Amino acid sequence: AQKITQTQPGMFVQEKEAVTLDCTYDTSDQSYGLFWYKQPSSGEMIFLIYQGSYDEQNATEGRYSLNFQKARKSANLVISASQLGDSAMYFCAMREGYGGGGADGLTFGKGTHLIIQP
Amino acid sequence: NAGVTQTPKFRVLKTGQSMTLLCAQDMNHEYMYWYRQDPGMGLRLIHYSVGEGTTAKGEVPDGYNVSRLKKQNFLLGLESAAPSQTSVYFCASSKYLAGGPGNEQFFGPGTRLTVL
Repeated sequence: AQKITQTQPGMFVQEKEAVTLDCTYDTSDQSYGLFWYKQPSSGEMIFLIYQGSYDEQNATEGRYSLNFQKARKSANLVISASQLGDSAMYFCAMREGYGGGGADGLTFGKGTHLIIQP
Repeated sequence: NAGVTQTPKFRVLKTGQSMTLLCAQDMNHEYMYWYRQDPGMGLRLIHYSVGEGTTAKGEVPDGYNVSRLKKQNFLLGLESAAPSQTSVYFCASSKYLAGGPGNEQFFGPGTRLTVL
């Protein structure tokens, strides 16, 4: 079974609209972290936002927020007021357990290709 | 402050050749990682290191070896390259964070490797 599932291979959104990118995860650990990364066409991986499993409030970073629903095991990324520069691949990722201070690598979903249209 | 750098950026190999990819970070991070990214896939962990002199296997370690002789460097080796190892390779690093999974990983720009 996949540990991270992103069900939207591609999305087209009009500029200035809000966007929700879906992510569901599967883990039996009580302690885990959820991350979103952006990969523009240039190829680099850019960290966007983090949510810890014990965090009671949804994480926010500027125009990015994470809609964390623990019981449903979902961690959707919300981008408010989308811009042309938001066009990119978006990856949801998870690190499970404490693993010696969070050393273990991330498990990534397959990504969502977001295209913002003017 | 360069962050995470990778050498080389591009490489073409013939089947059976060997090569080493170099990753360097100047953030004094304890943890370093090697991932590969294939078309239509997210990144998959090859090997990682929790400190100088240590290495551990990730999800897809076969055909690769790694070494972490210095804290700032993490080397990925392909002893006998195969076409299945054609991929984009990313190195990443993160700091030590006791008692939680919450520190983000900082990624290098990637190395595009083609094995013919």
